[in-house]
Amino acid sequence: DAGVIQSPRHEVTEMGQEVTLRCKPISGHDYLFWYRQTMMRGLELLIYFNNNVPIDDSGMPEDRFSAKMPNASFSTLKIQPSEPRDSAVYFCASSEKGTGNEKLFFGSGTQLSVL
Amino acid sequence: RKEVEQDPGPFNVPEGATVAFNCTYSNSASQSFFWYRQDCRKEPKLLMSVYSSGNEDGRFTAQLNRASQYISLLIRDSKLSDSATYLCAVIFSYNFNKFYFGSGTKLNVKP
Repeated sequence: DAGVIQSPRHEVTEMGQEVTLRCKPISGHDYLFWYRQTMMRGLELLIYFNNNVPIDDSGMPEDRFSAKMPNASFSTLKIQPSEPRDSAVYFCASSEKGTGNEKLFFGSGTQLSVL
Repeated sequence: RKEVEQDPGPFNVPEGATVAFNCTYSNSASQSFFWYRQDCRKEPKLLMSVYSSGNEDGRFTAQLNRASQYISLLIRDSKLSDSATYLCAVIFSYNFNKFYFGSGTKLNVKP
């Protein structure tokens, strides 16, 4: 298996532009997570999906952020408009159906820089 | 208060040393516990799950103390390659599959 695949690896954009991050979870995994990591705040959960349905989006910072999962093999995280404080590494992760011994697998992340 | 807390370190230790990290969690109804390793500019990777009875994987030992609400990671005979940030993760039983991460403890193993 190729693991969780994210694109792009790096994104540099100017304030006010729209940014779209993409993720392909591991095949067969029911859960997909979007995390953001910064030095100040560590690894923060933004939103997660179960069977393509958003379960908890309480970590999404504000209305500028939105996430979709149109099918089991693809998800997007969109920021519109982007701001410098959105600069961070964004990780997508997936796991199998909850069994009490879940293992979370991360993609390589997208390093976002908003100038 | 954050759900999961760790000492950020850094822990600077010589090769061959034994080092231990703790991670405290706020909710007594926690279900599952994990240690992840994150190398600089890389994604976190699962190091080991933490079982109630404690578990060992080579030089690594993980323990759970439910009464005091913390998990620990012990690394024996530290190697230079152990240098990384170690993140603990907790799943609360009322929110199945939602992983809460600590901010990580940085370990530097020196020659």
